[in-house]
Amino acid sequence: ETGVTQSPTHLIKTRGQQVTLRCSSQSGHNTVSWYQQALGQGPQFIFQYYREEENGRGNFPPRFSGLQFPNYSSELNVNALELDDSALYLCASSEGLSNTEAFFGQGTRLTVV
Amino acid sequence: AQSVTQPDIHITVSEGASLELRCNYSYGATPYLFWYVQSPGQGLQLLLKYFSGDTLVQGIKGFEAEFKRSQSSFNLRKPSVHWSDAAEYFCAVVLVYNTDKLIFGTGTRLQVFP
Repeated sequence: ETGVTQSPTHLIKTRGQQVTLRCSSQSGHNTVSWYQQALGQGPQFIFQYYREEENGRGNFPPRFSGLQFPNYSSELNVNALELDDSALYLCASSEGLSNTEAFFGQGTRLTVV
Repeated sequence: AQSVTQPDIHITVSEGASLELRCNYSYGATPYLFWYVQSPGQGLQLLLKYFSGDTLVQGIKGFEAEFKRSQSSFNLRKPSVHWSDAAEYFCAVVLVYNTDKLIFGTGTRLQVFP
């Protein structure tokens, strides 16, 4: 049974650019949630995807968008990057809509310069 | 305001000493409660969780937590800390009526001296 994997592990982007982060969910899990963790802070919920549909969204602007594929892997896209988007982006997968049994990937460290 | 509070930003203990990390929540109904650990540059690992029943919960790595409804608290404890326990610890909740997300506290950084 594979765990949750995220790619890339690190990347550097310039302000105004666009970025795509990827997440492969744990085997058997059909739900993926994305979190942003700024330096020195706890993770903040961005949104959740369940069976390819967005199901729940946190307080993030529309330039944060996502996709979930038929194999339940997911992408997080961020357009028009701002310096404040620099953070660790965490993906969590779970079975069903509830996050009472969520497993996290190691994260993608995004630096915007 | 609804929140998860971890009052201690940074705690330092000696190896072998006991540990207690505090967590308080402010929600109308008792949420589901979790403790996660994050090693530097890593994702989050679940230590333990509480949904209902026995208020003393055992987790991995020798950790335990006690739910106290009267104090809206869910403190994490370990009787004897090891150097490998140095990490960031996050308390989190899932609201019973809105289970699509984890709500995290700001974390407590644990430093362990030999």
